Amino acid sequence: EVQLVESGGTLIQPGGSLRLSCAASGFAFATFGMNWVRQGPGKGLEWISYISAGGSAIYYADSVKGRFTISRDNAKNSLYLQMNSLRDEDTAVYYCVRKTLDYWGQGTLVTVSS
Amino acid sequence: DIQMTQSPSSVSASVGDRVTITCRASQDIAGWLAWYQQKPGKAPKLLIYSASSLQSGVPSRFSGSGSGTDFTLTISSLQPEDFATYFCQQANSFPYTFGQGTKLEIK
Repeated sequence: EVQLVESGGTLIQPGGSLRLSCAASGFAFATFGMNWVRQGPGKGLEWISYISAGGSAIYYADSVKGRFTISRDNAKNSLYLQMNSLRDEDTAVYYCVRKTLDYWGQGTLVTVSS
Repeated sequence: DIQMTQSPSSVSASVGDRVTITCRASQDIAGWLAWYQQKPGKAPKLLIYSASSLQSGVPSRFSGSGSGTDFTLTISSLQPEDFATYFCQQANSFPYTFGQGTKLEIK
């Protein structure tokens, strides 16, 4: 069974940094690209980043480019999102999602507030 | 970026009704379109990929059609568990973009 489990979400002040993690199991993680998608409170879905299976191809949404960094450790079956210079508008549930958006984690809540 | 416009933004219907939701892309995305269902407090669930392919385990009352810029999701006979919010998403190019959602409510 495919499982994606996010962690690391918390309440953090504007300007702060946070690292989200996603533990993958039940599939050959090293052969799949991975995404992060977020959803603000009462809002729609926003794709924010993609990393290819080997990590050589990376894409970001303009809203996070230069502030967020996606990475992965295939030996640990793990995906990461380093979030810097956090803003109020980054408040959202962050989902770890497999390449073709077929499997989603349960999400982890990041709240940016003073 | 490719803009995805869904309509309607909300719809009220009864159990047994046929419901159609539309999604329009701002440019040609061929068949690179997916549909998701989301219930409150839960992650989205993939229903349809490649515009018309039913994801494994999804009931056959769900169907998708379209290509290019215009797409539809049809639920042939609404069941109580179908009342949720539905999103379309283009997978033609990065940045992937989603429609704003259609909330399906009980009449």
